[in-house]
Amino acid sequence: EPEVTQTPSHQVTQMGQEVILRCVPISNHLYFYWYRQILGQKVEFLVSFYNNEISEKSEIFDDQFSVERPDGSNFTLKIRSTKLEDSAMYFCASSQQGGTNEKLFFGSGTQLSVL
Amino acid sequence: GNSVTQMEGPVTLSEEAFLTINCTYTATGYPSLFWYVQYPGEGLQLLLKATKADDKGSNKGFEATYRKETTSFHLEKGSVQVSDSAVYFCALPGGSNYKLTFGKGTLLTVNP
Repeated sequence: EPEVTQTPSHQVTQMGQEVILRCVPISNHLYFYWYRQILGQKVEFLVSFYNNEISEKSEIFDDQFSVERPDGSNFTLKIRSTKLEDSAMYFCASSQQGGTNEKLFFGSGTQLSVL
Repeated sequence: GNSVTQMEGPVTLSEEAFLTINCTYTATGYPSLFWYVQYPGEGLQLLLKATKADDKGSNKGFEATYRKETTSFHLEKGSVQVSDSAVYFCALPGGSNYKLTFGKGTLLTVNP
């Protein structure tokens, strides 16, 4: 089965630094997502992206966050100035169609640690 | 908004034991309900879903029935295997077109 690929699997950074988390969605998918899970808490929606623009974002996704599809294959999440509370597992996902009945395909995640 | 509460883990069972992981939800209307599973080192993947009340989703020996009377979608399997060791997430639409709301996940460990 095709896979969503995320890199790196682990990222350690200093507070205040910028990080870019990278994802390669499944090639014929059109909708892209970022979710995150802080240790011991629920998996939380951050943002959805379609047709080169954000279609929905949560209140977590403030001005420190941005997403981009810089070429035909990558989908990135940038955190401009990381905070300690940004430490979490970040999951990228993609789907062929939008809508919440669609099957989401997730990557294996990037564990971000902010020191 | 919509929310889901699932059984806290971890859950440890012996092979061939019966599994139940409880999930209850709060939602407007009757949204689809999902179970996702995350095997070690992998991403979340859809295990099963049910799209309307009284539907039963099933896959790989797992089942869950959409019960609107009790607002529940409990995951069951009659005889677990070591390979079922994973984290299981209950989920439902988050009240918009694009987002899913997940539970915290329940870690299942099956011992031989």
